[in-house]
Amino acid sequence: AQRVTQPEKLLSVFKGAPVELKCNYSYSGSPELFWYVQYSRQRLQLLLRHISRESIKGFTADLNKGETSFHLKKPFAQEEDSAMYYCALSFSGSARQLTFGSGTQLTVLP
Amino acid sequence: NAGVMQNPRHLVRRRGQEARLRCSPMKGHSHVYWYRQLPEEGLKFMVYLQKENIIDESGMPKERFSAEFPKEGPSILRIQQVVRGDSAAYFCASSSSGANVLTFGAGSRLTVL
Repeated sequence: AQRVTQPEKLLSVFKGAPVELKCNYSYSGSPELFWYVQYSRQRLQLLLRHISRESIKGFTADLNKGETSFHLKKPFAQEEDSAMYYCALSFSGSARQLTFGSGTQLTVLP
Repeated sequence: NAGVMQNPRHLVRRRGQEARLRCSPMKGHSHVYWYRQLPEEGLKFMVYLQKENIIDESGMPKERFSAEFPKEGPSILRIQQVVRGDSAAYFCASSSSGANVLTFGAGSRLTVL
């Protein structure tokens, strides 16, 4: 069965420092990976998806099939990046099989 | 476009009562998904529906839980005879046909006393 692991429940960094939120997955096929973000008092929303290969709000994520990872990175964290981040996997090309990790709460300190 | 609307936002029930959570998908979206988030856990898929059809209910508990998405009106997640373990945040999401990007509602937080 597919599984998404986010090993860090909590992560704190100082403003301006680099940040990396880890995500590992287990799936034998070709998955599609996503990062969703939930800011305080807001809804869960899509941050980025690996097939887009784009940078959103300074964040990037590269799918590493060898390491089965999809870590989220930003070179210089900002206070407004503080939020809950969820890594998610779709294995059938359909959202009905979207599997989420348990989430990482990122806090960017001033 | 109001996005995905869920109500109630907060619901308190006593053990044995019924809980009904409603979800109106984003305009133009015909696919609805329900997820449950237990305390300290991630989002767990429950059920995927299209109008008048349950497409995938592999994540639904076998008893007491049911979902529908009628031709008219919102999708409803119904939990009968609630127990304390049902206390969680229930999120609804919608997508357009064939898409695999979800738009989420704000969630409904169920507390069972």
